[in-house]
Amino acid sequence: DVKVTQSSRYLVKRTGEKVFLECVQDMDHENMFWYRQDPGLGLRLIYFSYDVKMKEKGDIPEGYSVSREKKERFSLILESASTNQTSMYLCASSPPGRVYEQYFGPGTRLTVT
Amino acid sequence: AQKITQTQPGMFVQEKEAVTLDCTYDTSDQSYGLFWYKQPSSGEMIFLIYQGSYDEQNATEGRYSLNFQKARKSANLVISASQLGDSAMYFCAMRALYNQGGKLIFGQGTELSVKP
Repeated sequence: DVKVTQSSRYLVKRTGEKVFLECVQDMDHENMFWYRQDPGLGLRLIYFSYDVKMKEKGDIPEGYSVSREKKERFSLILESASTNQTSMYLCASSPPGRVYEQYFGPGTRLTVT
Repeated sequence: AQKITQTQPGMFVQEKEAVTLDCTYDTSDQSYGLFWYKQPSSGEMIFLIYQGSYDEQNATEGRYSLNFQKARKSANLVISASQLGDSAMYFCAMRALYNQGGKLIFGQGTELSVKP
């Protein structure tokens, strides 16, 4: 089974802190994605990557950065957390050639106080 | 630009009845895929069904079917014989098939509650 894991299910941080959200997939997928999910807005793409060291901005990249040093790991970084970044963050990965499949991690519910 | 619209924030259905969740989309791409995902209260996103824009037959997966009407740009999910375990958030999503690195555009979601 494909497995996408995220480092934390729940996280509480203070305003101004630097926050790292880690995502690891174990199936050698090339494409990886970070979304945030807010009630009434669905999921919105923050950043995605289709290869090591490659990254592309999604629809709402402001206030975030990403890192992909290894194929299996895609990190989302909040340089200086703010209360409006309180949200559910979902990581996903997609296998090459099967464009219709995205596998999601369990999500990290981040609260910034 | 691509857009997905789900106009039903919440739906109720009686157990064992069928239910249709609405989804309309907008895109200028000729080749695209449409997806439905289920998100139970645990938070994980579960892939349910996929329809390609050039597929002539409506997709089916067990109790799930996708009512694809290309001219109307709609991709409604039909769940037959609802079960209590179907209670969850449901998201419609779309992606262009040959560019943009596979990113999905999601709708706002519909919360389905199945009554015993």
